[in-house]
Amino acid sequence: GQQVMQIPQYQHVQEGEDFTTYCNSSTTLSNIQWYKQRPGGHPVFLIQLVKSGEVKKQKRLTFQFGEAKKNSSLHITATQTTDVGTYFCAGYRSNDYKLSFGAGTTVTVRA
Amino acid sequence: ETGVTQSPTHLIKTRGQQVTLRCSSQSGHNTVSWYQQALGQGPQFIFQYYREEENGRGNFPPRFSGLQFPNYSSELNVNALELDDSALYLCASSFGGNWEQYFGPGTRLTVT
Repeated sequence: GQQVMQIPQYQHVQEGEDFTTYCNSSTTLSNIQWYKQRPGGHPVFLIQLVKSGEVKKQKRLTFQFGEAKKNSSLHITATQTTDVGTYFCAGYRSNDYKLSFGAGTTVTVRA
Repeated sequence: ETGVTQSPTHLIKTRGQQVTLRCSSQSGHNTVSWYQQALGQGPQFIFQYYREEENGRGNFPPRFSGLQFPNYSSELNVNALELDDSALYLCASSFGGNWEQYFGPGTRLTVT
């Protein structure tokens, strides 16, 4: 079955630094989505990427979809304490309504 | 615009019992999906409902079943509860089958 893997599992970042989290799928995806879950909260939709090689930016967050549509990355610049939480990638295969989530990257920030 | 709501917030059940969880979708959304999230894990897709029909199912046994009503609200039923069913159950609504998911706050189920 489809597997979505994320690395690293944990990311400890100094406030102001940049970091990247990576997402890899065992199968080609029709699209990929990213969600953020704060401690004790629920996943909140951040963005969806559909096209091969697509890059989207949201303020300090940059999302990229790989050329082969099997991997994605999230890059955060100038990390702030508000970035604390777990970031999940999730993807759909073509003609499939099952959204497969990775295990997430949990981000903590040192002030 | 009303967001996704779920009830109850917390629930404690005994192994072997049955449970029903409820979800009201965000206004304008016609699709509801249910997920199980174990501690420290990503959400696992249980199933999706569209126009009151199951539209897709993850790797969960038949004792996990659901319903969607004409107003797009939904129920998740779990029979013969097992200890491993202890998790956060998330409902998510969307406008369409593979669009972005809008999650509710979840129901924390504990099976003892």
